[in-house]
Order: sequence, then structure tokens, then C-alpha cells
Amino acid sequence: SQKIEQNSEALNIQEGKTATLTCNYTNYSPAYLQWYRQDPGRGPVFLLLIRENEKEKRKERLKVTFDTTLKQSLFHITASQPADSATYLCALESWEYGNKLVFGAGTILRVKS
Amino acid sequence: DGGITQSPKYLFRKEGQNVTLSCEQNLNHDAMYWYRQDPGQGLRLIYYSQIVNDFQKGDIAEGYSVSREKKESFPLTVTSAQKNPTAFYLCASGGLSSLDEQYFGPGTRLTVT
Repeated sequence: SQKIEQNSEALNIQEGKTATLTCNYTNYSPAYLQWYRQDPGRGPVFLLLIRENEKEKRKERLKVTFDTTLKQSLFHITASQPADSATYLCALESWEYGNKLVFGAGTILRVKS
Repeated sequence: DGGITQSPKYLFRKEGQNVTLSCEQNLNHDAMYWYRQDPGQGLRLIYYSQIVNDFQKGDIAEGYSVSREKKESFPLTVTSAQKNPTAFYLCASGGLSSLDEQYFGPGTRLTVT
């Protein structure tokens, strides 16, 4: 069956460290992946998109990698701050799914000062 | 201000009643989406629309209905046939390209007792 898996346990890190979140997928052939941030009780906000032919994408303190062999995307936040605490969702677009987005359940990140 | 709005923020209904959730966008987006979010699960697509007067079922359309009479508006009705209606409902809009990010509204938390 098709699955998108993100760490179900919250990630707790110290301020200033790099947070690394994982998104693994099974039985999809995504053309690209998107990452969103969601704060409690609010709608997700788009952060980054990476295409299948891109190994890495950066935006300020954010970095996303995409490994189609491992079927995995990693999302990094460098020099993390308490304000980065949120749930981070990955979403993939796949032709098997009619080119619509499929979302993972998200990983909660808590950055402690 | 450009954006996507949902109302109300919180909604309480008795079992057996139909309820309509509002979604409006002034971003001039062609595509609009309704998702349902439950704890520990990814966003699940209920319905989507890419053009006025046309919409398609998502993965969990049973017990829901939508209309798209205007480009800006995509209301969702949760009918009494929906077995577990209590959830956080998110509306989103975006362009027609599969590469386009989605813009989410603030969500409506529906509680049915």
C-alpha cells in the first residue's frame, strides 16, 4: 500500500542546534515534495518545494533534501529557535494519485531555550 | 488583504443535523480543496474543485457535499450521513499547476455531540 511516514514522536532539541525531520514514502513516484509548517489550531503554511531532479533546496535557515533512491526527504532547520516550534508536514505529488497532494501526519518540533 | 478565510472558527452541532462550513478566497485561485485533519493523521482530501460548477470527490467524500457556484467560494456541507464528523476542517486554494503551493485557511473545528 502507499504510505507517507513522518516521525510520530515529537523532536525536542536545544536552541541553536540543527533540527532534522524525516519524510519517508512507499509505493509513490513523486515528481516533487512540499514541506509545510502548522501551528496549533491553524492552517498549514507552505515552506519549500523540491523537485525529483533536485538534490537539495535552501531558504534562509531551511534546507530540504530529496533522495528518490532512498524514497526519503529530510528537512533541516539550522540555528533553531523557540519560534520554530511547530508541526512540520511533508506532502508529495504523485501521478499515481491524480497529481494531487498527499500529506504525511507531521512531526512536532519543540525547540527549548 | 489577500487570503483565504473560513468561518466559523468553532462550530457545535447535535448529531443528525447538517452543517455548512464556509470558505472564501480572494487570491483569484482556480483550485480549491477541503481537507479533514484528525489527531495523528495526515490531512485527508474530501473534495476539490478546479473550475466553477465542477468538483471531484477526494478520498473521504462520503457524508459530505460541496458546491462551487463562484470562483471565490467553496462551501462544505457535513451531512448527518457522515459517521464521525467531529474533526478540524481545512480549506485550501491554489493554482491549477501541480507544482503550485496550497494556501490554507485558518480552519474550522467542528464538534458534533
